[in-house]
Amino acid sequence: RKEVEQDPGPFNVPEGATVAFNCTYSNSASQSFFWYRQDCRKEPKLLMSVYSSGNEDGRFTAQLNRASQYISLLIRDSKLSDSATYLCVVSPYGGSQGNLIFGKGTKLSVKP
Amino acid sequence: DVKVTQSSRYLVKRTGEKVFLECVQDMDHENMFWYRQDPGLGLRLIYFSYDVKMKEKGDIPEGYSVSREKKERFSLILESASTNQTSMYLCASSLLQGNTIYFGEGSWLTVV
Repeated sequence: RKEVEQDPGPFNVPEGATVAFNCTYSNSASQSFFWYRQDCRKEPKLLMSVYSSGNEDGRFTAQLNRASQYISLLIRDSKLSDSATYLCVVSPYGGSQGNLIFGKGTKLSVKP
Repeated sequence: DVKVTQSSRYLVKRTGEKVFLECVQDMDHENMFWYRQDPGLGLRLIYFSYDVKMKEKGDIPEGYSVSREKKERFSLILESASTNQTSMYLCASSLLQGNTIYFGEGSWLTVV
């Protein structure tokens, strides 16, 4: 099983749609979780951290399900500018030993 | 804001040449990383460093070396460039391992 697995997409959605991405991780000891956004030929940038209680930032909602070992990202009212690749990121350990494990990303294309 | 600067954005090198990729961060971060990103393969960790003069191999260290003589600077060295090292190279830094990492804009290397 891959350490961090994402549906590569592409997800093609119309403006205004709601879209959800899931990501599964294999290491049950994982401590920290993030969603990064990467535009074409640009560097990844932090979109949001994912907390156990779930968290929301405007149109974006992130959820963590430790029992099933998956993370989700929900985007409401999609904008053209949301078109990008979304990377699921997991830290396999806590404290000083961890390095981030990146999924390969899910590509989103929002159409007019 | 965190600033990670990769001085060389686009390089074309010949097979067998020695290549230096430089990275500087201005936030006094302890950890620095070098990744490469290729289509379909996602981000792969080459080396990371958690302190000055300290380095750890990542997932794909073969053909690469690194140097961290100062806290703010982390260099990636290709001793003898090969065509399969044509890629986008991303430098990153973080305050603590397992925490949010911040990327530079990337260096596009073509080896001919």
